Amino acid sequence: EPEVTQTPSHQVTQMGQEVILRCVPISNHLYFYWYRQILGQKVEFLVSFYNNEISEKSEIFDDQFSVERPDGSNFTLKIRSTKLEDSAMYFCASSEGAGPVRGYTFGSGTRLTVV
Amino acid sequence: AQSVTQLGSHVSVSEGALVLLRCNYSSSVPPYLFWYVQYPNQGLQLLLKYTSAATLVKGINGFEAEFKKSETSFHLTKPSAHMSDAAEYFCAVSDRLSLVPGSNYKLTFGKGTLLTVNP
Repeated sequence: EPEVTQTPSHQVTQMGQEVILRCVPISNHLYFYWYRQILGQKVEFLVSFYNNEISEKSEIFDDQFSVERPDGSNFTLKIRSTKLEDSAMYFCASSEGAGPVRGYTFGSGTRLTVV
Repeated sequence: AQSVTQLGSHVSVSEGALVLLRCNYSSSVPPYLFWYVQYPNQGLQLLLKYTSAATLVKGINGFEAEFKKSETSFHLTKPSAHMSDAAEYFCAVSDRLSLVPGSNYKLTFGKGTLLTVNP
C-alpha cells in the first residue's frame, strides 16, 4: 500500500536553529498538509498546499514557518528559528482529492525536540 | 468551526471484552467524521470514516462506529478486544478550509484516547 514517508523520525535541535522536516507524499496525490501534535495535546492543522502554493494556513503557521515542494516529490516544512515550544510531533499528510471522502494518508511523523 | 470531544483520555479493557471509545462532535454543517489509530512509533492510520452514507460504518480490524445525529456522537466499538488493539485512538471531524466551492479540508482532532488491553 502506498505510504507517506517522513524523515528524520526524530530530530534534536538547539533553540534558534533552523530545521527542515522532509516528507515524500504519495505520488499521485495533489494536496499536501502538515499537522503537529505537542505532547499531551491535540493534533493540530498547520498548513495545506496545492498547486505549488499554500492554500490555507492556521494561526500557528506564522512567519517562522514555510513549506516548499522543491522537486516534485518532496514536501518540506522549514522552521526558521526554533523555539522550545516548537517541540512536537510533526505529521505530513497527502490526499488525492480536495474533499474528505477519500481521507488523508499520514506519515509516521517526525519528533522534533528543541533544547 | 467544528470541534471534537473524546471522553476519557485512557480506557483499559480486558482481552475479549467490549471496546467503547466515545466521541462527540460539534458541527454547523453535516459532518464527515473519522477515527484514526496510532500504534507506538507509527503514523496515524485511518480506521474508518463516515461520509453521510450508512450511519453504521465498518472499519478495519473489526472496529465499527455509529453516527448518531441526535446525540452528535460517533462512538467507536469493537465486540472483543485483542492485545494488538492497544494504541491511541483519535476521532476527527473534517472542516472545509474556506467557503470557496471545492476547497480542500482540514481535520480537527480530539485529544485522543489511549486504549490498553489487559491479558
